Amino acid sequence: ETGVTQTPRHLVMGMTNKKSLKCEQHLGHNAMYWYKQSAKKPLELMFVYNFKEQTENNSVPSRFSPECPNSSHLFLHLHTLQPEDSALYLCASSLLGGAGSYNEQFFGPGTRLTVL
Amino acid sequence: AQSVTQLGSHVSVSEGALVLLRCNYSSSVPPYLFWYVQYPNQGLQLLLKYTSAATLVKGINGFEAEFKKSETSFHLTKPSAHMSDAAEYFCAVSDGNAGNMLTFGGGTRLMVKP
Repeated sequence: ETGVTQTPRHLVMGMTNKKSLKCEQHLGHNAMYWYKQSAKKPLELMFVYNFKEQTENNSVPSRFSPECPNSSHLFLHLHTLQPEDSALYLCASSLLGGAGSYNEQFFGPGTRLTVL
Repeated sequence: AQSVTQLGSHVSVSEGALVLLRCNYSSSVPPYLFWYVQYPNQGLQLLLKYTSAATLVKGINGFEAEFKKSETSFHLTKPSAHMSDAAEYFCAVSDGNAGNMLTFGGGTRLMVKP
């Protein structure tokens, strides 16, 4: 595997379900991000992890719970979601402090989430 | 604080015509600027980036962008549109200093007519 991978690619869940989204980066990066992309809305940054420590939480509801066990893996745990949470969830990674990194982020293909 | 404005949420061109997608930014320090492309049901792919070297930046798929400090712009162009260019395009800015945040514009959907 190369780049940034996300599983599953599609997920349908009920409002009472618990599910998790997984992201893995194979680029040797040390920062990872979760974004939410809804139809007709700008890309929304949800969480940022630098060196496995959460450094940003953009007022995301507690029904979304991130986990970053190491620099290569990032999870988004989902619980009692609402239909308006249906969106494309994108994971990205970048290299902090590396020569020539320029904060460039590399994105995974996303998980299309539908909440019924 | 930094911000990005993409003028025109939808742009339509004919195949073979010039593509021009507009991006204006605001940044308190010299910025790094990026253009990403997103095809349907896929993630964002980096097209090109400006990192304070040459002001005219060439990217993949024949796209290029010119950094104009006086106009605070970083417009994306391609001389001749191809049907496969139909996608959504995002401009983003990073201040290059402490922190690793990218600020994205709202996106421009490019449609290419045969």
